[in-house]
Amino acid sequence: GQQLNQSPQSMFIQEGEDVSMNCTSSSIFNTWLWYKQDPGEGPVLLIALYKAGELTSNGRLTAQFGITRKDSFLNISASIPSDVGIYFCAGGDSGGGADGLTFGKGTHLIIQP
Amino acid sequence: NAGVTQTPKFQVLKTGQSMTLQCAQDMNHNSMYWYRQDPGMGLRLIYYSASEGTTDKGEVPNGYNVSRLNKREFSLRLESAAPSQTSVYFCASSPDRGTRRAFFGQGTRLTVV
Repeated sequence: GQQLNQSPQSMFIQEGEDVSMNCTSSSIFNTWLWYKQDPGEGPVLLIALYKAGELTSNGRLTAQFGITRKDSFLNISASIPSDVGIYFCAGGDSGGGADGLTFGKGTHLIIQP
Repeated sequence: NAGVTQTPKFQVLKTGQSMTLQCAQDMNHNSMYWYRQDPGMGLRLIYYSASEGTTDKGEVPNGYNVSRLNKREFSLRLESAAPSQTSVYFCASSPDRGTRRAFFGQGTRLTVV
């Protein structure tokens, strides 16, 4: 099946730092989404992208839909303790396969005091 | 507004037992999905229902069956549980296929011994 390569696998940062993570695929997707998951909870949608080249912000979060439609990036500015969690990218509507989303394996964000 | 509700939250089964995981959404969404999440992995699609009355296989359907009981409810059944089905199961719903904006429940943690 399709696979998304998400990196880095984990990040150890200081409060206040900016964070960048990305997701790449060998397949084209028509939708890219970014989710955050807290322990014991379901993923929560952060940002949805529908158009190649699109840049969208949600507060301190900014995500971009790559021009090739095979990648996406998420940036978090001025990190705070509540940003801790696992961030997942997901690709959707690849056109040929099943409905639903293809997920990356996640980036585990840890903020050091 | 409850969103997506899953029951039960936790379950322990013996190998060979059967059970049904329940999911209901109150957002009037057309599409519903079942995913499983294993340690260090992203979410993988088991089955989905694009609309009431239809169901289709996802990436990992073996050992599972689903029923779209009505627009609100989508259940996942394990007929003969196996230790490989130990996982966290998430139900999700989406307004329609085009947006891919999936909203997730809190998950069911299933252990098969």
